[in-house]
Order: sequence, then structure tokens, then C-alpha cells
Amino acid sequence: QKEVEQNSGPLSVPEGAIASLNCTYSDRGSQSFFWYRQYSGKSPELIMFIYSNGDKEDGRFTAQLNKASQYVSLLIRDSQPSDSATYLCAVERNNDMRFGAGTRLTVKP
Amino acid sequence: DAGVIQSPRHEVTEMGQEVTLRCKPISGHDYLFWYRQTMMRGLELLIYFNNNVPIDDSGMPEDRFSAKMPNASFSTLKIQPSEPRDSAVYFCASNTGPSSYEQYFGPGTRLTVT
Repeated sequence: QKEVEQNSGPLSVPEGAIASLNCTYSDRGSQSFFWYRQYSGKSPELIMFIYSNGDKEDGRFTAQLNKASQYVSLLIRDSQPSDSATYLCAVERNNDMRFGAGTRLTVKP
Repeated sequence: DAGVIQSPRHEVTEMGQEVTLRCKPISGHDYLFWYRQTMMRGLELLIYFNNNVPIDDSGMPEDRFSAKMPNASFSTLKIQPSEPRDSAVYFCASNTGPSSYEQYFGPGTRLTVT
């Protein structure tokens, strides 16, 4: 079992729709959870982080964490073509960050 | 700040040659991380340093890989001898530690070993 699992996609949504990205992790001791966005040929950049169970909203982005289910998700509302990228889920414990393989999202105009 | 700086941005070398990748972290960041990214394996943590000291090198694939951080502003990742399966994008990242969780990534070095 991989430490961090994501559906590789591709996930395709129309412009203006909600994109839902999911991630599960195996280490119950994980402390922090991150979503990074990576455009093709570029380096990862942080979108959201969450530490506690529940939802965290930042603009069009909402991160959801359920530690009991070892599940974290990212919702992107009003998706834009510029959101087309690979989204990496990352799980951290004592500064040791483990990344999922990423989900490729395409937002079609 | 200029962000994390990596050099070279692209490296093409022949199998068996030594390769050295370089990284300058953001000033004031105590932690430095080396990652490797491939299509097959995704983004993998190779090693990380805290205050120039290697903390966890369990991700280093084998003895051909070595990393050093002689001072707070410079780190190297060396592969000797290189093999075609080492072809990947190597990222360096830095942050200020557990109290500041975001890792700031450099632009990466695309390594091709022929």
C-alpha cells in the first residue's frame, strides 16, 4: 500500500464546475496535510494546508480532512482553465513530507 | 528574496559520469530538502537537512547518491556513477521547520543520463 494515494486521473470538468480531488494516506500519525499545484514543467506550489479535522476554505479552494478515515480532499469551486494542472496531496510527520502521485485536472472552457 | 535557486536547470550526461546538482535555499530557512520526481514514482523525498546536518537520508536510493550541506546557503546532490534510471527532475526545497510547514521549491534540475 502506498503511503499517499491519489486517483491519477485525468479529471476533466467544464469551466465553472466544482472539481473534487481526493487523497488517502496510511500513516495515522500524520500531522499536517497539504495540497500542492504543479503546472507542467514547473515546480510544486502550495495551495492549501490543513491540520485539524473539518473544512478549511480559502477563496475558491476548500480542503477537507477526516483523520478517522485517513482522507483528505480538495474542492475547487468555479473552476477556471487556469486551474488545469496536476494536484499533489502531501502528508507530513515530523517534517518528513510524503507526496501522492498527483491527480491531473483539466478544466475545459 | 530570489527564492530557492538550483543549478544547472538541465543536465545531460553519459552513463558512468559524475553529476553534481546544486541548491541555494532561501536565506533564513533552516531546513533543506532534496526530492526526485519521475512519472513512474512521483515526487520522492531523498534527504533533508536541518541546520546543515543530514537528518533523514532513508530516501537516498543507493550508495551512488550522496548529499552535502557545507553551509547554510549551499547544498549539493551528487550521483557517481550516473545511470540512465537516474533520469528525473530533481527539486530542492527549503523551509523554516515544523512551525512553518510550507516548503518552497526551487525550479528543479532536469537530469538526463544517456
